[in-house]
Amino acid sequence: TQLLEQSPQFLSIQEGENLTVYCNSSSVFSSLQWYRQEPGEGPVLLVTVVTGGEVKKLKRLTFQFGDARKDSSLHITAAQPGDTGLYLCAGAHAGNNRKLIWGLGTSLAVNP
Amino acid sequence: DVKVTQSSRYLVKRTGEKVFLECVQDMDHENMFWYRQDPGLGLRLIYFSYDVKMKEKGDIPEGYSVSREKKERFSLILESASTNQTSMYLCASSGGPLREKLFFGSGTQLSVL
Repeated sequence: TQLLEQSPQFLSIQEGENLTVYCNSSSVFSSLQWYRQEPGEGPVLLVTVVTGGEVKKLKRLTFQFGDARKDSSLHITAAQPGDTGLYLCAGAHAGNNRKLIWGLGTSLAVNP
Repeated sequence: DVKVTQSSRYLVKRTGEKVFLECVQDMDHENMFWYRQDPGLGLRLIYFSYDVKMKEKGDIPEGYSVSREKKERFSLILESASTNQTSMYLCASSGGPLREKLFFGSGTQLSVL
């Protein structure tokens, strides 16, 4: 059962464009993480959000956790080729601190 | 810099072989994980360990076993490799509650012929 849905699945844009990717669920999460995975490497954690409505910024990346803690978004401003990669969201349910629930990812290509 | 090291980047094995994938972390983390990553299926948890000699099954443990004799090392064993175990295998570790920040290795691309 896929509990975290990410959209879009693929995205190809030009350098300088803005984009938003989404991570949605019908379940409530106590926290949600975003990772970026570059080709040939393991995922690297970008941010963790824990409070409904929380917004976190990491340079040109803005992460938001939904008020109901069921969804999250990642917005990239003025994308650069170095942003290319697979963006994964992973959620943790309250009371089940053993496993993360992973989305399938958004594959982003930023063309120079 | 924290580091999770997987012993091989690429492996090619024959059907029926016993395969060992090794993972070492230098962060003194309690928790270690083995995932496999396949196109269209995402990251799936095979096994995890929250202490030396302790292990728990993940979502897809069939055909795999694990060993954690020392805190820094977590091994994944394919008892009798099959073609459907061709995949990218990722090891990860974390130091806090199991859902906190995971540090991943670079992965091992295993091909079973």
